[in-house]
Amino acid sequence: DVKVTQSSRYLVKRTGEKVFLECVQDMDHENMFWYRQDPGLGLRLIYFSYDVKMKEKGDIPEGYSVSREKKERFSLILESASTNQTSMYLCASSSPPGTGGISPLHFGNGTRLTVT
Amino acid sequence: AQKITQTQPGMFVQEKEAVTLDCTYDTSDPSYGLFWYKQPSSGEMIFLIYQGSYDQQNATEGRYSLNFQKARKSANLVISASQLGDSAMYFCAMREGWNQGGKLIFGQGTELSVKP
Repeated sequence: DVKVTQSSRYLVKRTGEKVFLECVQDMDHENMFWYRQDPGLGLRLIYFSYDVKMKEKGDIPEGYSVSREKKERFSLILESASTNQTSMYLCASSSPPGTGGISPLHFGNGTRLTVT
Repeated sequence: AQKITQTQPGMFVQEKEAVTLDCTYDTSDPSYGLFWYKQPSSGEMIFLIYQGSYDQQNATEGRYSLNFQKARKSANLVISASQLGDSAMYFCAMREGWNQGGKLIFGQGTELSVKP
């Protein structure tokens, strides 16, 4: 079974702090993703990576950066946390879709971040 | 414009009855895939079912089936014989193309409550 592990389940940080959210997957997946989930808005893509050291902006990258130095690890960085970044953050991984498109995302259990 | 729309924020269903969760999508790419995920209160995202744009038949997985109407751009999830454990958030998602890094675009979600 694919395992995607996020380092923290709950996190409380102060405004202006630099915050690191870590994600590790154990299935040798090429693709990794960071989403944030807010009530009524569903999941919105922040950044994704399809290879080591490669990254692509998603729909809401402002205020975030990412790092992928190793295939299994994808980090989300909040350079200067703000209260509007209080949210649930979900990491996911998958293999490339290939022809036919099926290759579901496998998610971690999420990190609920509160910025005060 | 919204790429994935779920118009039912919340729904109730009686135990053992069938329920349909609506999802409409918008894409101009002829190659796409549609996914449904379940998110119980524990927060994990569970992949339920997949339908590719070229699939001739509606996808089925146990009690889950996908009512795929390509011309109407709808991909409704049907849960037969609802169980109490089906109470959860349900998300519809779309992948456009097979070579775009595998990202999924999610809808806003529908919260399903199963009543005993």
